[in-house]
Amino acid sequence: QKEVEQDPGPLSVPEGAIVSLNCTYSNSAFQYFMWYRQYSRKGPELLMYTYSSGNKEDGRFTAQVDKSSKYISLFIRDSQPSDSATYLCAMRRRGADGLTFGKGTHLIIQP
Amino acid sequence: DAGITQSPRYKITETGRQVTLMCHQTWSHSYMFWYRQDLGHGLRLIYYSAAADITDKGEVPDGYVVSRSKTENFPLTLESATRSQTSVYFCASSEKGYSTDTQYFGPGTRLTVL
Repeated sequence: QKEVEQDPGPLSVPEGAIVSLNCTYSNSAFQYFMWYRQYSRKGPELLMYTYSSGNKEDGRFTAQVDKSSKYISLFIRDSQPSDSATYLCAMRRRGADGLTFGKGTHLIIQP
Repeated sequence: DAGITQSPRYKITETGRQVTLMCHQTWSHSYMFWYRQDLGHGLRLIYYSAAADITDKGEVPDGYVVSRSKTENFPLTLESATRSQTSVYFCASSEKGYSTDTQYFGPGTRLTVL
């Protein structure tokens, strides 16, 4: 079992829909949780960063962490075609230097 | 322009050849990282460096060598390239390596080993 599981998709939704992206993890040592967005042939860019259970909102994006269930989510409201990208969840243990990534979910927003 | 750059962006080489991928950042970040991205595996850490002359192994270090003589540069060398090293390689940097620090990624190098 991989430490971080993420459905690779593709996930296709119509413009304006609410998108839900999820990751599960098995290692309770993960304390810091991130969502990166990656456009085709580009490097990942950080979208959201959280280190506590609960919700964190930034514009149309909401990150949710449930440490008791080892489950994290990213919600995108009012989705736009420009949101079409691969979304990577990433996690970090306290004191660790590198990140552990999920495989990424390929999201397609249909105009 | 400030940021993190990688060169070359695309590289084709043959099995057994030595290849060096370059990474340069202009932020004076202490930490630098090399990841590889493969279908079915996501991004995996190869090596990282906390400062000049300090490097450490990540999850998949075999077949790779790194050095960091200057803070701004972190080259990755494949001493004898193999087909299994065909991948997209990303360099990243972070300011101090604190758990809450953001890692900023470069644009990637797409390497094909024939």
